[in-house]
Amino acid sequence: DTGVSQNPRHKITKRGQNVTFRCDPISEHNRLYWYRQTLGQGPEFLTYFQNEAQLEKSRLLSDRFSAERPKGSFSTLEIQRTEQGDSAMYLCASIKSGTGGLDTQYFGPGTRLTVL
Amino acid sequence: AQSVTQPDIHITVSEGASLELRCNYSYGATPYLFWYVQSPGQGLQLLLKYFSGDTLVQGIKGFEAEFKRSQSSFNLRKPSVHWSDAAEYFCAVGARGGGADGLTFGKGTHLIIQP
Repeated sequence: DTGVSQNPRHKITKRGQNVTFRCDPISEHNRLYWYRQTLGQGPEFLTYFQNEAQLEKSRLLSDRFSAERPKGSFSTLEIQRTEQGDSAMYLCASIKSGTGGLDTQYFGPGTRLTVL
Repeated sequence: AQSVTQPDIHITVSEGASLELRCNYSYGATPYLFWYVQSPGQGLQLLLKYFSGDTLVQGIKGFEAEFKRSQSSFNLRKPSVHWSDAAEYFCAVGARGGGADGLTFGKGTHLIIQP
C-alpha cells in the first residue's frame, strides 16, 4: 500500500454513460498525476495538477475527459459519453515536488473501467 | 520527445536463476530513471530509481540496475529469482520533480518464473 487510494477499483458501464473516478493522494503531496494504461501497454500520461491548478494535459485527453482537484487534495477524473475505447486502467500518482531531486511518484491501485 | 524501449515482451526464467531485463531510453537531458513492478490487480510499486551519482543502484526485493549513459540503458538485474517475482516490469524515464509530462513508460516486460 503506497498511501494513494483510488475509488472505485472497478467500474463497468454502458457506452454513452458518464463515469467519475476519485483519487486520494498522500496527504502532503502537492502534485497529482493521472495516467491511462491499456492492456499490454505501459501507463500513459493524461494530466497533472500542482496543488489545485491543472498545469498540463496530454493530447490523449479528449474533450470528453475532465479532471479536477478542487482543494488541492483529492482529485476526480470524469469521462463523459464513454466509448469502448475508453476501457482501460486509470492510475493516479502523487509526488511531493521540490525535495531536491529525489521525487518519486507513488501510484494508487488504479480504477479498471470496462465500457460495454 | 522522450521514449523508453523494453525489447523483451516476455521473459521466462527458472526459479533460482539470474535475471536481466533490458531498458533503453531516449531523453534530451539528464534522465531520471525508474523501474516499477506491477502484479495482477495491483498498482505500480517502485523497485528502484536513478537520479545521479553511483551508476549501480540497489532497490527493494534484491533488485539492482545499472545506468550506462553511453548505451542509453538502465537494465534491471537480480541474481536469483523467486516465484513471487513473476509480474510485469516497467522501466520509466522522467524529469526532476515529476515534470510536466509525468513519467514516460516502456511497454513492459512480463516475467514468468518456471519451477
